[in-house]
Amino acid sequence: DAGITQSPRYKITETGRQVTLMCHQTWSHSYMFWYRQDLGHGLRLIYYSAAADITDKGEVPDGYVVSRSKTENFPLTLESATRSQTSVYFCASTERLAGVRPQDTQYFGPGTRLTVL
Amino acid sequence: QQQVKQSPQSLIVQKGGISIINCAYENTAFDYFPWYQQFPGKGPALLIAIRPDVSEKKEGRFTISFNKSAKQFSLHIMDSQPGDSATYFCAASRRWGSGGYNKLIFGAGTRLAVHP
Repeated sequence: DAGITQSPRYKITETGRQVTLMCHQTWSHSYMFWYRQDLGHGLRLIYYSAAADITDKGEVPDGYVVSRSKTENFPLTLESATRSQTSVYFCASTERLAGVRPQDTQYFGPGTRLTVL
Repeated sequence: QQQVKQSPQSLIVQKGGISIINCAYENTAFDYFPWYQQFPGKGPALLIAIRPDVSEKKEGRFTISFNKSAKQFSLHIMDSQPGDSATYFCAASRRWGSGGYNKLIFGAGTRLAVHP
């Protein structure tokens, strides 16, 4: 199906383990983003990517790693999970308009609920 | 300062009433103000957005009012329906990064419950 998908939808892991959250979009959007959603904080940007092989930090990047070898995929890795990384993670994407300016609307995936014990 | 402050945290409205959610920002470089709607178990989705060159934008029952001098904007939901029950996020964006990306700064969210 077309759109943006995330997997897994739910994940429970233990402190210190490595976890990778997957994000896949079928629109060939240039821009992709990872947010975390926590009560009282709204959504906070972790990392974003303007194109394949181009990534940059957001507001809260510590403890996370991203890669983007293909336009359609943008995995997020927690190298050594901590309890403070328990959250709901959302991937989003948007298109590049003329030149380098991105479209304003971001399209969000359904989210991954991660619990770190 | 890049914060966007949103209030109230939660809101209960009777069916047919008006729901009002307020947001305030500090950075005058913001030039785009969207509202996102999120249903339980789903990702946020754009509901309506406004730019600072207009004071109001209306789409159906949803209206954004924008006060540039006060650095405030609000979402009004007229004739609120139980199907409007969701979490609403305001946001603001400005140009950021070498790629010209409009980084979205989100408010904390308002959980709206519309009772029949």
